[in-house]
Amino acid sequence: SQQGEEDPQALSIQEGENATMNCSYKTSINNLQWYRQNSGRGLVHLILIRSNEREKHSGRLRVTLDTSKKSSSLLITASRAADTASYFCATVNTGGFKTIFGAGTRLFVKA
Amino acid sequence: DTGVSQDPRHKITKRGQNVTFRCDPISEHNRLYWYRQTLGQGPEFLTYFQNEAQLEKSRLLSDRFSAERPKGSFSTLEIQRTEQGDSAMYLCASSLEGIGNEQFFGPGTRLTVL
Repeated sequence: SQQGEEDPQALSIQEGENATMNCSYKTSINNLQWYRQNSGRGLVHLILIRSNEREKHSGRLRVTLDTSKKSSSLLITASRAADTASYFCATVNTGGFKTIFGAGTRLFVKA
Repeated sequence: DTGVSQDPRHKITKRGQNVTFRCDPISEHNRLYWYRQTLGQGPEFLTYFQNEAQLEKSRLLSDRFSAERPKGSFSTLEIQRTEQGDSAMYLCASSLEGIGNEQFFGPGTRLTVL
């Protein structure tokens, strides 16, 4: 069964707008990662945030983590048509290797 | 290309047949993972190797599934007596040792069981 649950399941925005995706999980984690998947490039790692971190930035990506609420959010600023993809959060257990993915958010950015 | 490779990319088989997939990880990665992904879902963890040792197996990995990594390099995933429910994309990933290191995914093997 999946640990992470992404919200919304699908999101459609105009190019230039920001996109926010949320993820909730159930058990204690070592870190949480976000991945992107599209038909052209498969699954690609975007960003990792450790359990003792609250916010992290990478280019147009901003990730937050609230371990008390067991939730995370991914913000993509100034979206582009090329950002169209499925986005998955993945939690890594405290043992440090078992990675559990959520069902994903399908983002569609209209040009 | 020094990324993760998987072979074959597509496999169509009849119910009851055995199939075997191969994964070649990035050469310096000692961790290797197998996942299964069905349409509209995220990847589901199947199993994990550290070098040649298989350290974790999901309950999803029934007795019909077996994975090996004999020399700590490439890995194979075999499904015996395939069922229609086995139809999915099978993904392989590799990473360096260490907690939470980025996993690099292969393109996957799409299995269709008729």
